[in-house]
Amino acid sequence: GQQLNQSPQSMFIQEGEDVSMNCTSSSIFNTWLWYKQDPGEGPVLLIALYKAGELTSNGRLTAQFGITRKDSFLNISASIPSDVGIYFCAGLLFSGSARQLTFGSGTQLTVLP
Amino acid sequence: EAGVAQSPRYKIIEKRQSVAFWCNPISGHATLYWYQQILGQGPKLLIQFQNNGVVDDSQLPKDRFSAERLKGVDSTLKIQPAKLEDSAVYLCASSLLRTSSRNTIYFGEGSWLTVV
Repeated sequence: GQQLNQSPQSMFIQEGEDVSMNCTSSSIFNTWLWYKQDPGEGPVLLIALYKAGELTSNGRLTAQFGITRKDSFLNISASIPSDVGIYFCAGLLFSGSARQLTFGSGTQLTVLP
Repeated sequence: EAGVAQSPRYKIIEKRQSVAFWCNPISGHATLYWYQQILGQGPKLLIQFQNNGVVDDSQLPKDRFSAERLKGVDSTLKIQPAKLEDSAVYLCASSLLRTSSRNTIYFGEGSWLTVV
């Protein structure tokens, strides 16, 4: 199956700093999705990207769908304590009658006051 | 709009026992997914339904896992008999018809299973 390489695995930053994380794949996707998961909760959708090259913002979050369709990044500006959590990238591929969603291994973000 | 509903939230069972999880997707979402998330990993697809039909169950351990979506709305995932390695979060997700190119997939809060 497809695999996503997500990095970094974990980050410790000071409140107010910017954060960047990315995902790469050996194969292309139709859609890139970024989720945040808090302890004890399911993944919550942050940003969806549908076209190669697309750059989308959601508040302090910005994500881009790579031109090659094999990568994506997520930036968080001016981090705050509630940004703490695990961020997952996910690539969605339409394959016949199936919709294959493959997740990265996650980036654990810790924001220090 | 109500989100994806799952129950129970938490379950502890002994190995070799059985367990069932229930999911009600977002209203109008024809596609329903069950994912397994082991601690420290990203979710992995177990089974995908389109209405009441199975689209992809290639990753479902069919010797012990089963799932159904008889009326094309809510769904049940069963594990029988459970093994220690089944301890994980079982996430249900849903999306609109697969033919829409701008579909996104929404997750429930998960059912947390501990097998002892």
